[in-house]
Amino acid sequence: QVQLVQSGAEVKKPGSSVKVSCKASGGIFNTYAISWVRQAPGQGLEWMGGIIPLFGIPNYAQKFQARVTITADKSTNTAYMELNSLRSEDTAVYYCGRDVEGGLDEGARFDSWGQGTLVTVSS
Amino acid sequence: SSELTQDPGVSVALGQTVRITCQGDSLRSYSASWYQQKPGQAPVLVIYGKNSRPSGIPDRFSGSTSGDTASLTITGAQAEDEADYHCYSRDTSGNHLGGVFGGGTKLTVL
Repeated sequence: QVQLVQSGAEVKKPGSSVKVSCKASGGIFNTYAISWVRQAPGQGLEWMGGIIPLFGIPNYAQKFQARVTITADKSTNTAYMELNSLRSEDTAVYYCGRDVEGGLDEGARFDSWGQGTLVTVSS
Repeated sequence: SSELTQDPGVSVALGQTVRITCQGDSLRSYSASWYQQKPGQAPVLVIYGKNSRPSGIPDRFSGSTSGDTASLTITGAQAEDEADYHCYSRDTSGNHLGGVFGGGTKLTVL
């Protein structure tokens, strides 16, 4: 099973950007999607967007469309999520997950998760 | 955009059966998956598809769907099952990776 290891915690100023990495090992990287999910303190999970590294075309949730960029580097099995124009409400743990599409019978699921990256936005 | 609705909190006596539900229009078209999350930890997949469990997940966890409602059932709840449970499905946006989570249900084992 693939293992996902994320970059470390970040503290950012409002208005700045953050870029979080997610390195995969031990499994197939290129043909499965990597999605990014965030969790604000005490809140639920929120899907932000994803990418299939083989194709390199990202999909974004409408809420984040204007501020997020998701990329993947096939040569290093690493996905990235960059969030711009940070505000205090972006303080959250950001997770990457391997997004497996199983069709009608098995559906979509995240079968592996990174350990999470805490991003704190504070002046 | 799609939404999935979960009860914020549910409790169950040790050894009893509990059902956690997730309601939303997207579930008429897409299967739900369920995640267990303990404090300070990443979510863990426990149920996906019609009723599939990843290896290592106890068979006391099961899933089902009827109409627009998906359910996660724990038969014989154990103390270690106390956690937050999140449902997920693809959404109806037309975005092939688009997905939506429920708000999460905090399960308390009494």
